Amino acid sequence: DAEITQSPRHKITETGRQVTLACHQTWNHNNMFWYRQDLGHGLRLIHYSYGVQDTNKGEVSDGYSVSRSNTEDLPLTLESAASSQTSVYFCASSESPGGTAETQYFGPGTRLLVL
Amino acid sequence: QKEVEQNSGPLSVPEGAIASLNCTYSDRGSQSFFWYRQYSGKSPELIMSIYSNGDKEDGRFTAQLNKASQYVSLLIRDSQPSDSATYLCAVNTRYGNKLVFGAGTILRVKS
Repeated sequence: DAEITQSPRHKITETGRQVTLACHQTWNHNNMFWYRQDLGHGLRLIHYSYGVQDTNKGEVSDGYSVSRSNTEDLPLTLESAASSQTSVYFCASSESPGGTAETQYFGPGTRLLVL
Repeated sequence: QKEVEQNSGPLSVPEGAIASLNCTYSDRGSQSFFWYRQYSGKSPELIMSIYSNGDKEDGRFTAQLNKASQYVSLLIRDSQPSDSATYLCAVNTRYGNKLVFGAGTILRVKS
């Protein structure tokens, strides 16, 4: 069955370290998204991609970067981890129709703690 | 004004009752509307999508959309304790395939 996976599921790191969170989907979806979820804020978009070599900033992109070298993967990198980046991170993917936004399917999430 | 607003709750209903969850949005150009359910410690999962004004029913769930009032709701009939979760409303932006999520409403169904 097609799925979307994230790794690691839990991560503890120190302030200033570079951290990369992996996201892999087997639906062959063109669109991929990274969100963070914090109490009181819901899901906030960090970065997104509509296809290979395409990346775009979301509403909370500062301190994060992504790259899209193939259809299946969109890794999220925290360049220099900060305590404010302690959060739960979700990756999602969707198909790419001509206009109307399609359903996004979510991975299981990564809990990141920055000490 | 937030782009997508939901009452945070918690909304408490007795088992077997109808739970009514509401969501308002600010972008009049929005065309796609989604309800996701999220259990504690889990990822969001899609319950309903709706694109046209009116009602859409799927089992015990009914989504209602009123674009003139910029309002979308989710009704859960015969609520069960297993429906206890956070319900997220999501609305697309008029530019591309991005979704904006509300902060979610906590629903508690008491047996």
